[in-house]
Amino acid sequence: SQTIHQWPATLVQPVGSPLSLECTVEGTSNPNLYWYRQAAGRGLQLLFYSVGIGQISSEVPQNLSASRPQDRQFILSSKKLLLSDSGFYLCAWIRGVAYTFGSGTRLTVV
Amino acid sequence: AQSVTQPDIHITVSEGASLELRCNYSYGATPYLFWYVQSPGQGLQLLLKYFSGDTLVQGIKGFEAEFKRSQSSFNLRKPSVHWSDAAEYFCAVGESGANNLFFGTGTRLTVIP
Repeated sequence: SQTIHQWPATLVQPVGSPLSLECTVEGTSNPNLYWYRQAAGRGLQLLFYSVGIGQISSEVPQNLSASRPQDRQFILSSKKLLLSDSGFYLCAWIRGVAYTFGSGTRLTVV
Repeated sequence: AQSVTQPDIHITVSEGASLELRCNYSYGATPYLFWYVQSPGQGLQLLLKYFSGDTLVQGIKGFEAEFKRSQSSFNLRKPSVHWSDAAEYFCAVGESGANNLFFGTGTRLTVIP
């Protein structure tokens, strides 16, 4: 069966520090992968999506970047975190039209 | 432009009471519609989806939703709420071949004994 893993679950980082969040998918090949951010009291905002290795599309200009070094691996990064980067980050992959989400990473930038 | 509106930020219901969560969308074509549930600190779980056909769709955990094209709505319902249903609920709209879902801002459900 297909599963999606995200880590870490919780992260507290100081302003200006780097960030790396990892997402991996099992049980499928060549998935479309997505990073969403959920800010407090808001809906989900699509940050990046990838249709294949090395292919990244950015939906909004921001302090973050994404990479897809392997077929089933999707990484969200930042060189220098801002306070506004705090939020709940969700990785997802798509099967047909329905998304399957990971369990999320709660990032607090202090 | 596509958009999803969930007009109720927070709803409180008594356990055993019926529930309806509202969702209205703005979309040019026939949309694909979804309801997701998010427990605290967790990812999103798909409750149900509508692509075409019967406008009343059944989902997991006893939930159902009805697509009403004339009202641009896709409201989520449950006849009898359980305490474990307390969570945040998100409505989303998308289309085949698109690389995005548009989410509403969510409705937080509190269930009181």
